[in-house]
Amino acid sequence: ELKVEQNPLFLSMQEGKNYTIYCNYSTTSDRLYWYRQDPGKSLESLFVLLSNGAVKQEGRLMASLDTKARLSTLHITAAVHDLSATYFCAGVMGSQGNLIFGKGTKLSVKP
Amino acid sequence: EAQVTQNPRYLITVTGKKLTVTCSQNMNHEYMSWYRQDPGLGLRQIYYSMNVEVTDKGDVPEGYKVSRKEKRNFPLILESPSPNQTSLYFCASSLVTSRDRYSPLHFGNGTRLTVT
Repeated sequence: ELKVEQNPLFLSMQEGKNYTIYCNYSTTSDRLYWYRQDPGKSLESLFVLLSNGAVKQEGRLMASLDTKARLSTLHITAAVHDLSATYFCAGVMGSQGNLIFGKGTKLSVKP
Repeated sequence: EAQVTQNPRYLITVTGKKLTVTCSQNMNHEYMSWYRQDPGLGLRQIYYSMNVEVTDKGDVPEGYKVSRKEKRNFPLILESPSPNQTSLYFCASSLVTSRDRYSPLHFGNGTRLTVT
């Protein structure tokens, strides 16, 4: 059974600082997803990481995947207030491709 | 516009009164799924469907039913709601084909259910 753990669960950052969110998963997952959720809103897909060593970047966010370590990271560069949201990672379980989500990291970027 | 539509957005009901939350997608997606979101617990899968007439239990199926009679619709049924089913519910869909095997889930806007 796939378990996905994120840390930290809460993150308060100052604008302009860098930080990394970690996503560990317990068994093989052939891809890893990152989603963003704004308060009171739905989830929006950020990245799909398909293979070991995959790196994807969009603006101030960069995601990477290490399948050997069963670890994905979401790195935030020079944070701005607009990045305040909850970020979820999700791994894939089974041949049917069910997504299993972590508990989310609530990011708050303060001036 | 490609979207997943859930209705209603907000629902307040009483214990034991049957209700249905509808979910419809216009993207011809094979895969559909229901999640509930609770503070500190993240998203937990209730039921999913790989295609018409194919449904299976997720992590927390107790107290819920689903059906998939048509490709576009995947309603969530609570036959006898209880207060512990008070939650935020999301429907999601995605393609499941060899060509688009890695397509991400598209989520609806959520249904906030309160059972008193």
